[in-house]
Amino acid sequence: EVQLVESGGGLVQPGGSLRLSCTASGFTFSSYWMYWVRQAPGKGLVWVSRINRDGSSTTYADSVKGRFTISRDNAKNTLYLQMDSLRAEDTAVYYCARGNIVVVSGSGYSYYFDQWGQGSLVTVSS
Amino acid sequence: SSELTQDPAVSVALGQTVRITCQGDSLRSYYASWYQQKPGQAPILVIYGKNNRPSGIPDRFSGSSSGNTASLTITGTQAEDEADYYCNSRDSSATHVVFGGGTKLTVL
Repeated sequence: EVQLVESGGGLVQPGGSLRLSCTASGFTFSSYWMYWVRQAPGKGLVWVSRINRDGSSTTYADSVKGRFTISRDNAKNTLYLQMDSLRAEDTAVYYCARGNIVVVSGSGYSYYFDQWGQGSLVTVSS
Repeated sequence: SSELTQDPAVSVALGQTVRITCQGDSLRSYYASWYQQKPGQAPILVIYGKNNRPSGIPDRFSGSSSGNTASLTITGTQAEDEADYYCNSRDSSATHVVFGGGTKLTVL
């Protein structure tokens, strides 16, 4: 059974740091791009960051660029999100998600998230 | 990065058909994927590609696309389909990921 389990969330003061982990099982972790997506209370889904299969390429949403760092340890089947200089507006449930792609013959690509973790709540407050 | 626009709320009578739409320039280049999210739960994938359903998703869910608009159609809507639905795609540069704002589906 494919599973993604996040951990590391909690309460942190503005300006503080937190590291989230996402432990994968049931699939070959190193074969997939991995993503972080967050959801503020009562709001919609927002993409945060992505990392390629071997960790050599990363991309960030503008709202977190320079403050958050995504990484992975394929030997440990674990994805990380290091969050520094946290702000109140970073308060959210953070989900890790497995990325996938399908090529639609003659007409393009579809990128999608086929597995999601249960989420980890990060609260930034004094 | 581009945006994806969804109607905030849609309602449908039990057993009827409902279409949820998603608009954005990037949908001219990439197919949307669709996610269902119920309160307190993680999202689950319901449609990807041209019109593909993951294992376990009922065949009353279908997807389509035309120009800059992607649609999720639920035929014979059930009470358990009441949820928030999000579309998703890459932006036009392909480097960033975008989500629609979500559509709250109410089953009457």
